[in-house]
Parts: sequence; structure tokens; C-alpha cells
Amino acid sequence: QVQLQQSGPGLVKPSQTLSVTCAISGDSVSSNSASWNWIRQSPSRGLEWLGKAYYRSKWYIEYAPSVKSRLTLNPDTSKNQLSLQLDFATDEDTAVYYCVRLTGEGILDLWGQGTQVTVSS
Amino acid sequence: DIQMTQSPSSLSASVGDRVTITCRASQSVGNHLNWFQQKPGKAPGLLIYLVSTLESGVPSRFSGSGSGTDFTLTISSLQVEDFGTYFCQQSHIAPHTFGQGTKVESK
Repeated sequence: QVQLQQSGPGLVKPSQTLSVTCAISGDSVSSNSASWNWIRQSPSRGLEWLGKAYYRSKWYIEYAPSVKSRLTLNPDTSKNQLSLQLDFATDEDTAVYYCVRLTGEGILDLWGQGTQVTVSS
Repeated sequence: DIQMTQSPSSLSASVGDRVTITCRASQSVGNHLNWFQQKPGKAPGLLIYLVSTLESGVPSRFSGSGSGTDFTLTISSLQVEDFGTYFCQQSHIAPHTFGQGTKVESK
């Protein structure tokens, strides 16, 4: 079955880069029907969509306006994974980060286990 | 962005109770409305998609209804395993926004 396995450091210092990786098994990061999304959850902001990557003859990457200037999503077809990098982290970026598959019907049907990231000195 | 507003934000109920949660969108989302259940320390899990279609394995005591801007999640007879937090989410227009959640607790 399809699984999303996340990894990344749980503690990041302010102003540094927050990184989380999502390894995909049972599906392909370059699927021509699904997209691969990052969503974070915090008590103050709730569930917040950050961005997505998908392949339709070429790569498309979309970012939420709130993080667009700081966020980079990088699909890696050789490792079948998607990474998230959020630059200049602040305490407002403290959250649980989820990798999520979005089907062609617009359904967030599969979630990674979540990665708690705390931004603190 | 489309704003999703759930009510109530929390409720207390007993096993066997009928539970209803509502979700209102700031503009029409058509039938692109989904519901998720979350347990503490776990990722949200898909419960219902496209307003009323139960995800595989979800018990039939769960049901969804509505269209346009107003939607409802109903649990016909609450079970112990149903306690948790429920979120609505629209996938009509990006960004795909979520409601703030409804926490269902034991009375």
C-alpha cells in the first residue's frame, strides 16, 4: 500500500532553514494524476496548506502566498521523495508538518505521520 | 481564500448520542467538501469526501450532506472510538482551506 514516511530535525534555530523530507512508497512523486502537498498544523493557525508539487509532462510547484517568499519544494525522482525547505524560520513556524497526497479528484486521501518542528534558540 | 467556519468548536456527548457538526464556506465550494477525523498525536484521517461519500472502512453511522456553502457531518450513534476532533476542508479552489475543528468530548 502507499505510504508517506517523513523525516527531519525536530528543532530549528530562529533564522535558520527548516527542512522536512517525505519519502513515497507505493506511488510515484511524478505521478500524472496526484499532487504532493505540505500542510502544517499549529494551535494558533490550525491546518494550513503550504504548497504542492505535481508532474504533468513537466513539474509544477505552487506555494501559499503566506510563505511563498521563503518556501521551496523540491521533488526528487531518483529517491521518489519530496522535500520542504522553509527559510528564515521564526517561532510562528513551529508546527507539525504533514506530507499529503492530493488525488486528481481533489481529495487529500493519504497523510504522512507528521513531523513536529520547533523553532527555538 | 475561502474561509471555512465550523460550529460548534467543541461539544460534549455520550455514547449513543446523535452528533451534528456544521461547516459553512464563505463562498460556494460546489460539492468539493471533505471531512477528516483526528485523534491526539495522529495525522488527520479522511472520513468523507465530496460531501457524502464515505472513505473505505468508515462506519455507516457517519454521514455527510449539504451543497454550496452549508454542510453537515452527522454521527447517528456516537461510539467510544468517535471521540476526537473533526475538520471540514474545501478542495474547490486553492488554497484548500480547513475549518478550525470541532472537538467531540465525552460528557
